[in-house]
Amino acid sequence: DAKTTQPPSMDCAEGRAANLPCNHSTISGNEYVYWYRQIHSQGPQYIIHGLKNNETNEMASLIITEDRKSSTLILPHATLRDTAVYYCIVRKGEGNAGNMLTFGGGTRLMVKP
Amino acid sequence: GAVVSQHPSRVICKSGTSVKIECRSLDFQATTMFWYRQFPKKSLMLMATSNEGSKATYEQGVEKDKFLINHASLTLSTLTVTSAHPEDSSFYICSAILAGVVKEQFFGPGTRLTVL
Repeated sequence: DAKTTQPPSMDCAEGRAANLPCNHSTISGNEYVYWYRQIHSQGPQYIIHGLKNNETNEMASLIITEDRKSSTLILPHATLRDTAVYYCIVRKGEGNAGNMLTFGGGTRLMVKP
Repeated sequence: GAVVSQHPSRVICKSGTSVKIECRSLDFQATTMFWYRQFPKKSLMLMATSNEGSKATYEQGVEKDKFLINHASLTLSTLTVTSAHPEDSSFYICSAILAGVVKEQFFGPGTRLTVL
C-alpha cells in the first residue's frame, strides 16, 4: 500500500472547520484513501473513504485532488469531542476482505475552546 | 455501524502468567479479524490476521508461540499472551471485517494489559 504523510499535530478552535491534510504521492489507480480517528484509549473509528471523487457523510468531507496525490479531511464544525489522532490510510481495493490497514503516525488534532 | 467488543477492557497480571483477550463481533459475522498492538503515543501495529477456521497469519517479528490466536467462530477471536513479561504491557486492539460486505473495518475498544 502507498505511504502517507501527515503533519504530526494541529490545533483548531471549537466551532471552526478543521482541515487535515494528507499526502499520498505514490498512490496507485486502484487504491482508496481511508480516514480513521482514534480518541484517547479507544479503538479507531472509521470516518470516510474515497477513490477520486469528493465524498461527504454525517461526520466529515473528503476532498481528493485531481491527481490524487493528496487529500484533505474536513470536519466542518469541530467540537471538543473531535480531539483525537486522525489517520489517513491508502488501501487497495474497496471491499476486499483480505486487506489490512497500515497505520502511520497520524495527525493529533487538538480542538480548543 | 457494526459493533465489536473486547473483554477484558483492562487487565493487570504478574510476570510469567498467561492472559486471554476476547474479541467479539456482536451483530455481524466476521470471517477475518485483525489484532493490533499499540504502545503509548505510538501508532497501531498489526500483529496478526485471524481467519475463521484456519491458522492465523502473523506479521514479521511477532512470535506466534507467545501470542496465540484462535478464531473458533465467525463472531469470536481470542488472543492469549503466554508467559507475559513487562515488555508485553500494551494496548491490544482487535478489528473485524463484515463477511461479504466490506467497506470498513470495525474496531474494538481495546484492552490495556499491564504486566507487573
